[in-house]
Amino acid sequence: ETGVTQTPRHLVMGMTNKKSLKCEQHLGHNAMYWYKQSAKKPLELMFVYNFKEQTENNSVPSRFSPECPNSSHLFLHLHTLQPEDSALYLCASSQTRGLAGIYEQYFGPGTRLTVT
Amino acid sequence: AQKITQTQPGMFVQEKEAVTLDCTYDTSDPSYGLFWYKQPSSGEMIFLIYQGSYDQQNATEGRYSLNFQKARKSANLVISASQLGDSAMYFCAMRAGNTGGFKTIFGAGTRLFVKA
Repeated sequence: ETGVTQTPRHLVMGMTNKKSLKCEQHLGHNAMYWYKQSAKKPLELMFVYNFKEQTENNSVPSRFSPECPNSSHLFLHLHTLQPEDSALYLCASSQTRGLAGIYEQYFGPGTRLTVT
Repeated sequence: AQKITQTQPGMFVQEKEAVTLDCTYDTSDPSYGLFWYKQPSSGEMIFLIYQGSYDQQNATEGRYSLNFQKARKSANLVISASQLGDSAMYFCAMRAGNTGGFKTIFGAGTRLFVKA
């Protein structure tokens, strides 16, 4: 059973809507991530938070707005999206270990987003 | 620049046989980690195995082993005794320890089909 949950699992929204994706991890990790997975494209990192502080913003358009109120919760607020934003949005968490801090990530089941 | 290459878009294997999924990588960072993830049709990415750049031995986890050839910059995944439940997408990933921050880059993936 995964220690990372995501809601909703499916979302259909119009281009003028505002919605939010939620991610929660129960693993005691200190880093959380948002990824976008589009058809026929490699997984794209969007944002990284470490101890609630944003450490990576991979040139993501401002219509995607992340929020990390604590190390266990991560949100992705969506507004005025485009049809090309339709994708699977995956949340992940990780711990750090060792001096190099290289670690595996644990993923949630994803939110399948369709923008109409 | 860091890069992960998976050259096999799709692979077929007979149940109970072994299969090797190819992965090559490129980084100038001497400290890095290599990962394999499995993504079933349900969408969730499942961590399988990890290999650190300084590890002397190839990583093994149950039926999964990582054939790490550092000089050739390859990190192939070997699945022994394939099962029908192994049918999924498999992603190779890398994180550079000193220069990568929290960024993990993923390959394009290989879709594995296990035949009964």
